[in-house]
Amino acid sequence: KQEVTQIPAALSVPEGENLVLNCSFTDSAIYNLQWFRQDPGKGLTSLLLIQSSQREQTSGRLNASLDKSSGRSTLYIAASQPGDSATYLCAVTNSGNTPLVFGKGTRLSVIA
Amino acid sequence: GAGVSQSPSNKVTEKGKDVELRCDPISGHTALYWYRQSLGQGLEFLIYFQGNSAPDKSGLPSDRFSAERTGGSVSTLTIQRTQQEDSAVYLCASSWDAANTGELFFGEGSRLTVL
Repeated sequence: KQEVTQIPAALSVPEGENLVLNCSFTDSAIYNLQWFRQDPGKGLTSLLLIQSSQREQTSGRLNASLDKSSGRSTLYIAASQPGDSATYLCAVTNSGNTPLVFGKGTRLSVIA
Repeated sequence: GAGVSQSPSNKVTEKGKDVELRCDPISGHTALYWYRQSLGQGLEFLIYFQGNSAPDKSGLPSDRFSAERTGGSVSTLTIQRTQQEDSAVYLCASSWDAANTGELFFGEGSRLTVL
C-alpha cells in the first residue's frame, strides 16, 4: 500500500529565504507525482506535476524534483514571500487509473 | 464553468439525517474523484469515476456512503444517517483522462458539520 510522508509538518521562515519541502513515498513504481497548495478554507490548487519519466518541473519560483529510485521528491521555493504561506501537499499515483495518495502536508508560514 | 464547482459550500445537519453533496466537474473531464479531508488529517480517497466504467468505490468508509455520476458529468455524494464522525470537508476533483497526464483540478469543497 502506497504511503506518502511529508517533512516537516510545519515550517516558518522569514521573507526572502529559499526553502525546501520534502516528500517521500514507499512504493517507487509511481505513475506521476503532484504538488498542490491549499489555502485555509479552500480547495487544492495544482502547482506542479512530474511524470514518472521526468526528473524535475519548474514554474516561476517553484522547482519540484523527483528521485523515483529513492522514493523522494522535493519542492524548492525561491525567494519566499508572505503570499506563499499555505499548506503544501504532495501526492502520488501508481497508475493512470488509480487515485492519488496524499501526504498530510507541510504548513508554511513566511514572515514579513 | 471554468473550474470544478461544488455545492453546498457549507452544510450543517443533525445526526441521523441524510445529506447530498454535488460536484460539477470541468467540462470535458472524464475522470471525477471524491476525497474527504478531516481536521488535522490528510486527504482520504472515497470514490473515483472514469467515463462509463464501473466506479472505484474502494475508499467509501461504510455502506452509508454512496455516489453516482449522471451522464458522465455531474456527481452526487450521498451520506445516509449521518454521524458526527462524518464531519469533514468533502472535496471533488476532475481530470481530462487519468491515463493522460492525470493532473487533478479540485473544487473548493463542501464543509459538512454533523451536530
